[in-house]
Amino acid sequence: SQQGEEDPQALSIQEGENATMNCSYKTSINNLQWYRQNSGRGLVHLILIRSNEREKHSGRLRVTLDTSKKSSSLLITASRAADTASYFCATDEGGGADGLTFGKGTHLIIQP
Amino acid sequence: DGGITQSPKYLFRKEGQNVTLSCEQNLNHDAMYWYRQDPGQGLRLIYYSQIVNDFQKGDIAEGYSVSREKKESFPLTVTSAQKNPTAFYLCASRSRGLGNQPQHFGDGTRLSIL
Repeated sequence: SQQGEEDPQALSIQEGENATMNCSYKTSINNLQWYRQNSGRGLVHLILIRSNEREKHSGRLRVTLDTSKKSSSLLITASRAADTASYFCATDEGGGADGLTFGKGTHLIIQP
Repeated sequence: DGGITQSPKYLFRKEGQNVTLSCEQNLNHDAMYWYRQDPGQGLRLIYYSQIVNDFQKGDIAEGYSVSREKKESFPLTVTSAQKNPTAFYLCASRSRGLGNQPQHFGDGTRLSIL
């Protein structure tokens, strides 16, 4: 079963605005990862946050993790048209080489 | 450039036919994975392999088979037992060292039924 659930399912904003996506999960995790998928393509890794971290930044991306609430958020600042894509959170429960558990994703549309 | 190559990009299957999707990586990763993605959905794990000559079933392994004879290659066969094979199939790999490593994905194979 899918552990992560992203919210909202779809988001449309104007270029230059900030976009926030949320992810909830159910079990204990070793880390949580965010990926981007452009239409018809594979997934691209954006950022990984360990279970003992609360916030992480990478360029225009900011990820937070609240293990007590079993939730994470992805903030994209100063959005650009090229940010239009689907964004998925994925949880790694074991820290080993087992597969990730993905949510259904948030489809983000940046209007020029 | 290091990466993961999936082929073909598009594949069509006839009723009762087995088809094989190719996945090759030159990242020297030990672990490889196959996921299935249905429209508007997230990815679901089919099979994974942590080391050559070993693989494990994921959440939706029924109707699929894999092999891992070489570190670089992890082909997926969609058998005639898979009654609803139309989907986007994604292959990924990951380094096993040091834990907490992201997965690297290929560009997928879209499988359709004729």
